Amino acid sequence: GEDVEQSLFLSVREGDSSVINCTYTDSSSTYLYWYKQEPGAGLQLLTYIFSNMDMKQDQRLTVLLNKKDKHLSLRIADTQTGDSAIYFCAEMVGGGNKLTFGTGTQLKVEL
Amino acid sequence: GAGVSQSPSNKVTEKGKDVELRCDPISGHTALYWYRQRLGQGLEFLIYFQGNSAPDKSGLPSDRFSAERTGESVSTLTIQRTQQEDSAVYLCASSLGSARNNEQFFGPGTRLTVL
Repeated sequence: GEDVEQSLFLSVREGDSSVINCTYTDSSSTYLYWYKQEPGAGLQLLTYIFSNMDMKQDQRLTVLLNKKDKHLSLRIADTQTGDSAIYFCAEMVGGGNKLTFGTGTQLKVEL
Repeated sequence: GAGVSQSPSNKVTEKGKDVELRCDPISGHTALYWYRQRLGQGLEFLIYFQGNSAPDKSGLPSDRFSAERTGESVSTLTIQRTQQEDSAVYLCASSLGSARNNEQFFGPGTRLTVL
């Protein structure tokens, strides 16, 4: 079945690195995504990784995928106050047409 | 505009009334999705349209929920006889439908409050 879990809350200091974790249960996931949701706004796709990759780096963002443990993480380097938001991981299974989302992790960046 | 738009942005209704939510996808996007986000929770898939194919309605929670899409343009999500548990943000997304990674672009959502 499809189930995606995340911790609910993360607090970091400005300039530190943030690591947001996600676990999923469906081993047939093809793509895994990280979305950002700011207050009152829709979801914005940050990055995605194909399931045959272990790592993807995009500027301050690093995505790590451990397929064996079904674990996905998002690392944000040099976290800024503008990074404060809710971060959702999501998986797409097979050639599927829908995404299964986690519950979201609220990132709070303190000065 | 270039993005997905939704209307209204906020809707307050009384229990038992019907509501209609609208989504305008990005021009040229053949795929359109509706999701529901309850307070403090992740997104729940509701329904998916792809071109002229039969929609995937597997996420609709009850027969009070229905959605239509005209061609590859506007979609409306209708909730009949609303209940308090229908209170949520309803998000619409669209995608090219053919891209390998199926990147979905989201609208700002409609916040529905059922009193």
